Amino acid sequence: NAGVTQTPKFQVLKTGQSMTLQCAQDMNHEYMSWYRQDPGMGLRLIHYSVGAGITDQGEVPNGYNVSRSTTEDFPLRLLSAAPSQTSVYFCASSYWEKGSPLHFGNGTRLTVT
Amino acid sequence: KQEVTQIPAALSVPEGENLVLNCSFTDSAIYNLQWFRQDPGKGLTSLLLIQSSQREQTSGRLNASLDKSSGRSTLYIAASQPGDSATYLCAVNSGGGADGLTFGKGTHLIIQP
Repeated sequence: NAGVTQTPKFQVLKTGQSMTLQCAQDMNHEYMSWYRQDPGMGLRLIHYSVGAGITDQGEVPNGYNVSRSTTEDFPLRLLSAAPSQTSVYFCASSYWEKGSPLHFGNGTRLTVT
Repeated sequence: KQEVTQIPAALSVPEGENLVLNCSFTDSAIYNLQWFRQDPGKGLTSLLLIQSSQREQTSGRLNASLDKSSGRSTLYIAASQPGDSATYLCAVNSGGGADGLTFGKGTHLIIQP
């Protein structure tokens, strides 16, 4: 059971470039989300989805797009990378019921120069 | 807005000691509270989840308690081992779904051999 898989593990971008961070889960979880983790800021929610075809914004959505065409996949797109988007990005998933534990991927470390 | 505070921010203790990590939150209207462990360069691993109706949960050497009325949770680690060295985060779910999670900034724990 692979759980939550994120690719790539590391990425360096130049300002203005675009890219997609991939996230896939094999646990048939309805809920998927993207967080960024920055020193001194903790984990902040970027976007989330409660099922295929449904997405919504979290606390810090600006500069990011998401889509959910299947239950398994939830890619995060950076439209025009900025140095402020240098961070570690985590994808997470869970069942939708209240009280279901959240499962995290191992993260993507992104540097924007 | 829910705020979650973890004290201390860092802790170093000799192997074998019992220790307590603290988590406090400002809004007692929560659905559940979850404790996570994060190893360097890795994602978060769920350790214990306490529903709002529960007072504590136990898993092996770990015991988490919840006092909703006072806005506090503690994670008790018995007979600490060097392998317990990690950052421990608590997350409070105020919204029901996983998008309602608010994370603390974590306690960085070092167990000295």
